[in-house]
Amino acid sequence: DIQVTQSPSTLSASVGDTIIITCRASHNIGDWLAWYQQKPGKAPSLLIYKASALESGVPSRFSGSGSGTEFTLTISSLQPGDFATYYCQLYNSNLFIFGQGTKLEVK
Amino acid sequence: QLQMQESGPGLVKPLETLSLICTVSGDSISSRNHYWGWIRQSPEKGLEWIANIFYTGITHYNPSLKSRVTLSVDPTENQLSLKLVSVTAADSAVYYCARRRSGGGGSFDIWGQGALVTVSS
Repeated sequence: DIQVTQSPSTLSASVGDTIIITCRASHNIGDWLAWYQQKPGKAPSLLIYKASALESGVPSRFSGSGSGTEFTLTISSLQPGDFATYYCQLYNSNLFIFGQGTKLEVK
Repeated sequence: QLQMQESGPGLVKPLETLSLICTVSGDSISSRNHYWGWIRQSPEKGLEWIANIFYTGITHYNPSLKSRVTLSVDPTENQLSLKLVSVTAADSAVYYCARRRSGGGGSFDIWGQGALVTVSS
């Protein structure tokens, strides 16, 4: 069975920092990976699809990279509204699997 | 503007059937461009994909839930529905409906606000 590992589970940072979150798939998934942001009490919101494509309306300080089994989400110049939980999600053979999440906290 | 809204009972008894409806506005559920799906979230399991459906009735299920889940669409009401039978406390979660956009690489671009379902006697 395909699996996904997201790290770190928690990340402390300050406004203005640049952070990186990593997602690893157990099998080669090409570029079939997405990233979401979720704030408390809200549904996840799509940030990045196809590993590196920026969803419409999402600020350019969010970027995604990677292919195959290793992927990263980079957030540059952190803003106060960026402190939230982030999830990766892979797609493979009609299966959709979410990572465990990374909670981005204020240092 | 596309919106999705879940509705249904917030409390379901163990071993009974969980039934939810998602009403879509601003897009046709009969669109050839999208799949429509259900995803749930609990503190124990995190985000868990349940199933997707195309307007023709083609469905894809999470193997871990396939034996208990039924998805359907009602094009006249522009709704999709979820039925989960024989529920247990482990099925307590926030249930989201979401759109899987064609060309989106398997991502879900629009989500409902979520419906909290608790399984308890």
